[in-house]
Amino acid sequence: AQSVAQPEDQVNVAEGNPLTVKCTYSVSGNPYLFWYVQYPNRGLQFLLKYITGDNLVKGSYGFEAEFNKSQTSFHLKKPSALVSDSALYFCAVRDFNQAGTALIFGKGTTLSVSS
Amino acid sequence: ETGVTQTPRHLVMGMTNKKSLKCEQHLGHNAMYWYKQSAKKPLELMFVYSLEERVENNSVPSRFSPECPNSSHLFLHLHTLQPEDSALYLCASSQVSGTEAFFGQGTRLTVV
Repeated sequence: AQSVAQPEDQVNVAEGNPLTVKCTYSVSGNPYLFWYVQYPNRGLQFLLKYITGDNLVKGSYGFEAEFNKSQTSFHLKKPSALVSDSALYFCAVRDFNQAGTALIFGKGTTLSVSS
Repeated sequence: ETGVTQTPRHLVMGMTNKKSLKCEQHLGHNAMYWYKQSAKKPLELMFVYSLEERVENNSVPSRFSPECPNSSHLFLHLHTLQPEDSALYLCASSQVSGTEAFFGQGTRLTVV
């Protein structure tokens, strides 16, 4: 079975500082990995994905994520946080070998960036 | 905004009512999904339609009934709901052979 863990309910960071939102995963095969962001009363917006290739993937709004196979992690990062980055962030996984199946999401991490 | 449109955005219904949520995607996708998002809980996958056939039903109570008449439209029919069914219901779509899914804005459902 596939699963995703986001160990932090909330991450607090000051504007201008680097941020990291953690994610670990479990799949039976090779993973597709994703990060989504959700602003209040809105749907989920796709940020970035890892399919194969370079372990560091870059996405929207200056975010990036690092795939680490040995640690089964896919942490979201940004070198310099903005107040507007404050939102709910979800990590998701899908088994590479199960095309057509839905994404499985973690419980989400609230990012709060203070000015 | 994202190519996936959900209506209505907000819905208040009594426990004896029957209502339907609608989702429409304009992305040419062939897989569609219903998720439930409750406060303090992970997103729960409810139903998956792939090529207009239901391929997954995650032990969802029968008071929720999905319908996928074609690859662009997805409905969630609701009847005799409970207050604990109050949540944000999210629709998403993707290509069956693709990777990421795209979400609608959601329907905020309140059962009174």
